[in-house]
Amino acid sequence: DIQMTQSPSSLSASVGDSVTITCRASQRVTRYLNWYQQKAGKAPKLLIYAAYRLQSGVPSRFSGSVSGTEFTLTITRLQPDDVATYYCQQSYSSPQTFGQGTNLEIK
Amino acid sequence: QVQLVQSGAEVKKPGVSVKVSCKASGYTFANYGITWVRQAPGQGLEWLGWISVKNGITDFAQKFQGRLSMTTDTSTGTAYMELRNLRSDDTAVYYCARLGSGVVSGCDYWGQGTLLTVSS
Repeated sequence: DIQMTQSPSSLSASVGDSVTITCRASQRVTRYLNWYQQKAGKAPKLLIYAAYRLQSGVPSRFSGSVSGTEFTLTITRLQPDDVATYYCQQSYSSPQTFGQGTNLEIK
Repeated sequence: QVQLVQSGAEVKKPGVSVKVSCKASGYTFANYGITWVRQAPGQGLEWLGWISVKNGITDFAQKFQGRLSMTTDTSTGTAYMELRNLRSDDTAVYYCARLGSGVVSGCDYWGQGTLLTVSS
């Protein structure tokens, strides 16, 4: 199975800051990498698909990038509504696997 | 608008089966796959598998082979996930999600989740 190592596991930032979450794949996944946002008690929401493509309706403050097997999710101009857990997911090979999640808090 | 509405919470004893439904609306059901994901209490997301609504092809995580079934009913626009021989560690919220139509796509719409509690 492809392991997705996500870091950090938690972070705290202030409104207006920029934050970056990293996900490293144990094997090649090309661009088959998605990012989800999950708020407490809710279903996940797709933010980014195919490594860097912004899902319709998602603010442009969210962006994705890739370098080899390292993927990053960047959130700029942090808002209180961004408080959530963020997950990466590889859909390159079965079983599809998720990172362990990053809890984002606002200071 | 696209909606996926799942069946209600279930409480089951170890060893029995559960079947969770996921009724889709607002789009052409046959044109998208359905993915099932679960989340144990306080834990992360776990992919169970995927079914192509168009041709019924399935792909399950190896750990569930033999215990998991996924089916669809195109006449009602409903997907089903059945998990057999339940264990206590199957206690989780189970989500269905629509798989986007692109070659490289994520799950763009999700059900509200179904809580399954397995306890003797």
